Amino acid sequence: AQSVTQLDSQVPVFEEAPVELRCNYSSSVSVYLFWYVQYPNQGLQLLLKYLSGSTLVKGINGFEAEFNKSQTSFHLRKPSVHISDTAEYFCAVEVSTNAGKSTFGDGTTLTVKP
Amino acid sequence: DAGITQSPRHKVTETGTPVTLRCHQTENHRYMYWYRQDPGHGLRLIHYSYGVKDTDKGEVSDGYSVSRSKTEDFLLTLESATSSQTSVYFCAISESPGAYEQYFGPGTRLTVT
Repeated sequence: AQSVTQLDSQVPVFEEAPVELRCNYSSSVSVYLFWYVQYPNQGLQLLLKYLSGSTLVKGINGFEAEFNKSQTSFHLRKPSVHISDTAEYFCAVEVSTNAGKSTFGDGTTLTVKP
Repeated sequence: DAGITQSPRHKVTETGTPVTLRCHQTENHRYMYWYRQDPGHGLRLIHYSYGVKDTDKGEVSDGYSVSRSKTEDFLLTLESATSSQTSVYFCAISESPGAYEQYFGPGTRLTVT
C-alpha cells in the first residue's frame, strides 16, 4: 500500500520569503501525485499535479513542485509568499493500480507573517 | 467551482442516534468519495462509489454505511453515532481515478455529544 509523509506539520515564514513544503511518498509502483490547499473553513482545492513527463510542475498562485523519483519526493515551493497563502497544504498520492483510493498526508500548516 | 453541495453544513447530535449526511453533485462525475478530517490525521477515506449502487470501503469504514441510488447523490450514514465520529466530513468527486483530481465539497461539521 502507498503512504505519504509530510515532513513538517507547521511552517511559519515571513511575507515575501521563499517556502518549501516537503512531501515524501512510498509505493512500489508508479504513482500520480497531487498538492491541494485548504483555506480556513473550506474544502480542498487542487494546486498542481504530476502525472508523467517533466518533473517540474507548475500550479496556480505561483506554486511549483518537483517530482524526484529516486528520493520519492514531491516538494512544493514558492519563491515569494503572500499573507493570502496562509492555509493548510496536503500532499496526496494515487497508485494507478489502486484506482479510487488516494492517500493524503497529514497536512502542513503554512503561516505567513507580515 | 465544481458543483458540489453538502447538507447539513453543521450538525450536533447525541450518542446512539443515526445520522445521514448528503452529498449532491451537478457535474455528472462517476466517482464520489467520503472523507473525514481530524487534526493530525489529514483526510482519511471512509467509503467511495464508482457508479450507481457500486461502492467500496476505505480505510476507516467501521460504523459508517453509504448509498448511491442516483449519479448525483451520495449518502453517508452513521448508524449509531459515537463521540469518536465527531469530525469534519468532506465529500469529493472525480471523473475517474488516477490522473484526475478530486473536487471537494465545503464540508459538514458533525459533533456527537
